[in-house]
Amino acid sequence: DAGITQSPRYKITETGRQVTLMCHQTWSHSYMFWYRQDLGHGLRLIYYSAAADITDKGEVSDGYVVSRSKTENFPLTLESATRSQTSVYFCASSEAGIGTSGSRGETQYFGPGTRLLVL
Amino acid sequence: KQEVTQIPAALSVPEGENLVLNCSFTDSAIYNLQWFRQDPGKGLTSLLLIQSSQREQTSGRLNASLDKSSGRSTLYIAASQPGDSATYLCAPIGRGADGLTFGKGTHLIIQP
Repeated sequence: DAGITQSPRYKITETGRQVTLMCHQTWSHSYMFWYRQDLGHGLRLIYYSAAADITDKGEVSDGYVVSRSKTENFPLTLESATRSQTSVYFCASSEAGIGTSGSRGETQYFGPGTRLLVL
Repeated sequence: KQEVTQIPAALSVPEGENLVLNCSFTDSAIYNLQWFRQDPGKGLTSLLLIQSSQREQTSGRLNASLDKSSGRSTLYIAASQPGDSATYLCAPIGRGADGLTFGKGTHLIIQP
């Protein structure tokens, strides 16, 4: 029962390089999310996806790209990494869309995070 | 835009005490509110989700309440244990929101 996994767990890269962070969930949840967590800002939404091939921007999406060709995978790509993208990145999933049903299916489950350092 | 405040930012208490963590939010038009804990270097673990139609939700030694009209939620921890040491985050879920708006958390230390 793997749940939701992220890889790599730690990554060091250089400014200007492309980096892809992977997220995989085994529950067949429809909704998946990417957040970043920074000191002083808390957790902020980058992108979310309601289903395969459906994605939408969150609060801090500039410089990031996502795709969702399969329900279980939701990779996040930094097209040209910048130092300001140094952060801890969390992937999450839920059965139902947040704010859509008021149901317990909206509970979000988080992965262990990826710590990214951009030099 | 929803803004979430958690008070206190940090709390250190001896083992065995009952304690209350506070969360306030500016937009009361929410569907649900979720409480999480985060251990150092780890991801978030969902503790409780309170639906807007509920006033309270309980899980073991944890009890969360929600007062939508006043924009407040509290997390009550009974008989605290050292294993409860973590950062506790609240996240109201608003209408049309496609993610959660998080507070910055309360960093809790339970002294043995």
